[in-house]
Amino acid sequence: DQQVKQNSPSLSVQEGRISILNCDYTNSMFDYFLWYKKYPAEGPTFLISISSIKDKNEDGRFTVFLNKSAKHLSLHIVPSQPGDSAVYFCAASISNFGNEKLTFGTGTRLTIIP
Amino acid sequence: DTGVSQNPRHKITKRGQNVTFRCDPISEHNRLYWYRQTLGQGPEFLTYFQNEAQLEKSRLLSDRFSAERPKGSFSTLEIQRTEQGDSAMYLCASSLGLPGPQYFGPGTRLLVL
Repeated sequence: DQQVKQNSPSLSVQEGRISILNCDYTNSMFDYFLWYKKYPAEGPTFLISISSIKDKNEDGRFTVFLNKSAKHLSLHIVPSQPGDSAVYFCAASISNFGNEKLTFGTGTRLTIIP
Repeated sequence: DTGVSQNPRHKITKRGQNVTFRCDPISEHNRLYWYRQTLGQGPEFLTYFQNEAQLEKSRLLSDRFSAERPKGSFSTLEIQRTEQGDSAMYLCASSLGLPGPQYFGPGTRLLVL
């Protein structure tokens, strides 16, 4: 049972334009969400997170939007740069003590076209 | 470098051998996590520690897998009698706890022949 889904395996965006990566989840108990970026042969790098008490969080070129009623979150990257080419994973958790695992989606490969 | 470190970065072994991986977390982090990632998938949770206590184990962690964090600092993950299906990237992460991000190391890539 895939509780976190990234339905687009890949996405290509022109440099300078907006990249929008999407993620859906099924478990309504999830209350903390994260986006990670991964280059080949490296571990995931934390980008940005959002708690379920918010619907938007911004950090520089990265903005995460959360729609709890639709169980959907998205990551916006503006403007997109060549160095943003990587695999992006969304992850979700239930932030209770003793249950701190992250559940990841399968990833979206983003390619920025110069 | 004060990030999470993992050793070795690569390990090739023959089926049936035992392997051990080490993870050194960010020094002030009391939580330490192990994940496994296979091709085309996201990382899958294996187990986690708060200080030296192992608080949760996934059903993915069969009897052949054991993890320790003896003094609440570094951790080891041992796989006994390796099988070809154990071939994967083994990732370690650390954090100060939820809500808050987990910071990942570079991973150990295991290939079982």
